Amino acid sequence: NAGVTQTPKFQVLKTGQSMTLQCAQDMNHEYMSWYRQDPGMGLRLIHYSVGAGITDQGEVPNGYNVSRSTTEDFPLRLLSAAPSQTSVYFCASRRTGDSPLHFGNGTRLTVT
Amino acid sequence: QKEVEQDPGPLSVPEGAIVSLNCTYSNSAFQYFMWYRQYSRKGPELLMYTYSSGNKEDGRFTAQVDKSSKYISLFIRDSQPSDSATYLCAMSPGRSWQGGKLIFGQGTELSVKP
Repeated sequence: NAGVTQTPKFQVLKTGQSMTLQCAQDMNHEYMSWYRQDPGMGLRLIHYSVGAGITDQGEVPNGYNVSRSTTEDFPLRLLSAAPSQTSVYFCASRRTGDSPLHFGNGTRLTVT
Repeated sequence: QKEVEQDPGPLSVPEGAIVSLNCTYSNSAFQYFMWYRQYSRKGPELLMYTYSSGNKEDGRFTAQVDKSSKYISLFIRDSQPSDSATYLCAMSPGRSWQGGKLIFGQGTELSVKP
């Protein structure tokens, strides 16, 4: 039981490049979400999904795209990377009801 | 002004000390309050959660919520070097934790020295 798996662990991009951050969970959780963590800002919600085929925006969605074609996977796409997107990105999932969020170990992204 | 404010520290204490970590918030609709612990280079993990006002104890950890003052605290008794981590408070306005739409504090970095 791997929990929430994020790949890659580290990534360096040039401004304007696009990429996809992968997130997979093997706990059959309905809910999945993406957060970014920046110094002094805490964790901020980017996008979330309450089930396959359903996604919605969080607090800071601009510049990011998501889709949820399966229960297990929730990839985050950076359409045209900008230095302001340099951050640590965390994927999290949980089952429905009053249950805690389970976080992955993050992807550290640098945009130059 | 942020909805949730947390002193980022860093906080350094000797082993065995009592540690007090605090958050204040502005949204009176918050009902669920959580504390996450985050070790370096890892994702946050849930430590404790409480609903509405009151205290909750789990081993060396006590979570306290004062909704009248919009203030929550986490106390760690007999602190250990293994408690060295960043502690994040988080809160949510509704049941089912609003699908995980938690509002997080900035996190407090704690170091417990042997």
